[in-house]
Amino acid sequence: ETGVTQSPTHLIKTRGQQVTLRCSSQSGHNTVSWYQQALGQGPQFIFQYYREEENGRGNFPPRFSGLQFPNYSSELNVNALELDDSALYLCASSLAMTDTGELFFGEGSRLTVL
Amino acid sequence: GENVEQHPSTLSVQEGDSAVIKCTYSDSASNYFPWYKQELGKRPQLIIDIRSNVGEKKDQRIAVTLNKTAKHFSLHITETQPEDSAVYFCAASFDKLVFGAGTILRVKS
Repeated sequence: ETGVTQSPTHLIKTRGQQVTLRCSSQSGHNTVSWYQQALGQGPQFIFQYYREEENGRGNFPPRFSGLQFPNYSSELNVNALELDDSALYLCASSLAMTDTGELFFGEGSRLTVL
Repeated sequence: GENVEQHPSTLSVQEGDSAVIKCTYSDSASNYFPWYKQELGKRPQLIIDIRSNVGEKKDQRIAVTLNKTAKHFSLHITETQPEDSAVYFCAASFDKLVFGAGTILRVKS
């Protein structure tokens, strides 16, 4: 059984650029959630995908978008990067669409925006 | 929307002492309350969780209590060890997990 994997682990972008982060969910999991964790803060919910459809979104602007693929892997896209987008982006997979199951986190993608 | 407040933000204890972290939540519909431990540069990992139909749950040195009426829940770590040093996050959920801001726990040997 493989765990949640994310790529890239680290990346540096400049303001205005676009970034795509990728996540492979744990084997057998059909739900993926994305979180943003700024330095010294708790993870903030961005959105969740279940069976390729967005199912729930946090307080993030539309320039944060995502996809889930038939194999349940997922992408997070951020357009028009701002300095405040610098953070650790965590992907988490779970068995269920709702909260009733444990979230399994990846190691995260650390994004630095200069 | 759901809001979770966590206290204290930092906690220093002597090895062997107990540590208590408290959280309050705003959405009375929340029914799942996990606690995650995050070591420096690592992913958050679930250490214990509790559901709204249970008042207390224990797993070796770790316990969680839930007071639904007051909408607060707490993490208790007994006989703390240096390896317990980490950041601990509480979370509450009805349809999505909302995390607290975290508690930095330092166990001094």
